[in-house]
Amino acid sequence: GAVVSQHPSRVICKSGTSVKIECRSLDFQATTMFWYRQFPKKSLMLMATSNEGSKATYEQGVEKDKFLINHASLTLSTLTVTSAHPEDSSFYICSARDATSGRENTQYFGPGTRLTVL
Amino acid sequence: AQSVTQPDIHITVSEGASLELRCNYSYGATPYLFWYVQSPGQGLQLLLKYFSGDTLVQGIKGFEAEFKRSQSSFNLRKPSVHWSDAAEYFCAVAPLGGGNKLTFGTGTQLKVEL
Repeated sequence: GAVVSQHPSRVICKSGTSVKIECRSLDFQATTMFWYRQFPKKSLMLMATSNEGSKATYEQGVEKDKFLINHASLTLSTLTVTSAHPEDSSFYICSARDATSGRENTQYFGPGTRLTVL
Repeated sequence: AQSVTQPDIHITVSEGASLELRCNYSYGATPYLFWYVQSPGQGLQLLLKYFSGDTLVQGIKGFEAEFKRSQSSFNLRKPSVHWSDAAEYFCAVAPLGGGNKLTFGTGTQLKVEL
């Protein structure tokens, strides 16, 4: 149980285009999802917290207009990188917090999306 | 502010040898504690977690971790390492009671020699 998927796993796009990444909890409901960014050989940096039915909460220094987050259902959150530039190239990982009683304090992670902006 | 320290950036062990990965945290109160493992190009898999109770917790893949309040530590151990354990290991903490924003350590890269 507690499986989280991400799609796509890998995407290459041209500079200036927008890219949408989906994060789905497959076998549980997630009232809260998190989006992280990971640079090579580095730890995970929390970008934003996504709550179902409300606006996302962004961490300091993360541009909300550039990284659009939508959490329209209890099993789906999307991250859209708008007007992508080469410096946005990174590994993006989502996690979902299981709303099930007794498991609500644990985050389960997706497999990640490798974004390369040319 | 809370912080997590993993003092060892790289560790190399021989297959079959024992393993201990160190994790120290700085926090106002005992937080929730986690160990995750990441294989190259993959997401994170939860190995084990500590919320309360028995300070020695068992996880998947034969891993265990011991919470020591006096040392603010949560070290990960495995008695006999397998070549497939080679990966990046992250210690993480989250505040009690809500929010659940994880703070990660910088990770320890484990290499296993055959």
